[in-house]
Amino acid sequence: QVQLQESGPGLVKPSQTLSLTCTVSGGSISSGSYYWSWIRQPAGKGLEWIGRIYTSGSTSYNPSFKSRVTMSMDTSKNQFSLNLNSVTAADTAVYYCARDSYGNTWYPFDYWGQGTLVTVSS
Amino acid sequence: DIVLTQTPLSLSVTPGQPVSISCKSNQSLLHSGGTTYLCWYLQRPGQSPQPLIYELSTRFSGVPDRFSGSGSGTDFTLRISRVEAEDVGVYHCMQSLELPRTFGQGTKVEIK
Repeated sequence: QVQLQESGPGLVKPSQTLSLTCTVSGGSISSGSYYWSWIRQPAGKGLEWIGRIYTSGSTSYNPSFKSRVTMSMDTSKNQFSLNLNSVTAADTAVYYCARDSYGNTWYPFDYWGQGTLVTVSS
Repeated sequence: DIVLTQTPLSLSVTPGQPVSISCKSNQSLLHSGGTTYLCWYLQRPGQSPQPLIYELSTRFSGVPDRFSGSGSGTDFTLRISRVEAEDVGVYHCMQSLELPRTFGQGTKVEIK
């Protein structure tokens, strides 16, 4: 069974960089056809897709985040990561990692992590 | 970006009764290949979202058949034929036609 687990600091100061890691177990992040995404949810609000990284390492980002976001993979640790710089209070949210997988079609966000709360505050 | 609008934003239902949730898109989610890329997720209280429906009407593995998705073009509906206590939570629609992926605001379902 595939499992995803987010980790990282729960508190980040304004203007600094938010860094999160998603550790995947039960399968390799670099084999098969998968997209690995980050999604966030401010308290009481809807879900917002941040971006994704493909099995090959190629990335796609939500233009809403402009040049603030970077994603990467560490295949040796079976992890992928999110860096979001120049954070403000508006970046306070629960951050989820999630997977798209390909079988005979694409299955969008078939697995999710449990989420991690990141608060931006001085 | 594609904008999805869900209605209602909340509802309270008696167990065993049916429920319908609407999701409207500001542009068609029908791909030229004939597939409509609209998905539904359920987020139970305190949990992460879990997948229910993809490609308009196909249930993910293990999803009970009381859940069904329908619609076309820009208007979509999630139906629960007979609501059970475990169905409480927030239902999110999402478009997977193009990037960036976008979600509706969510519909909160409570049990009376």
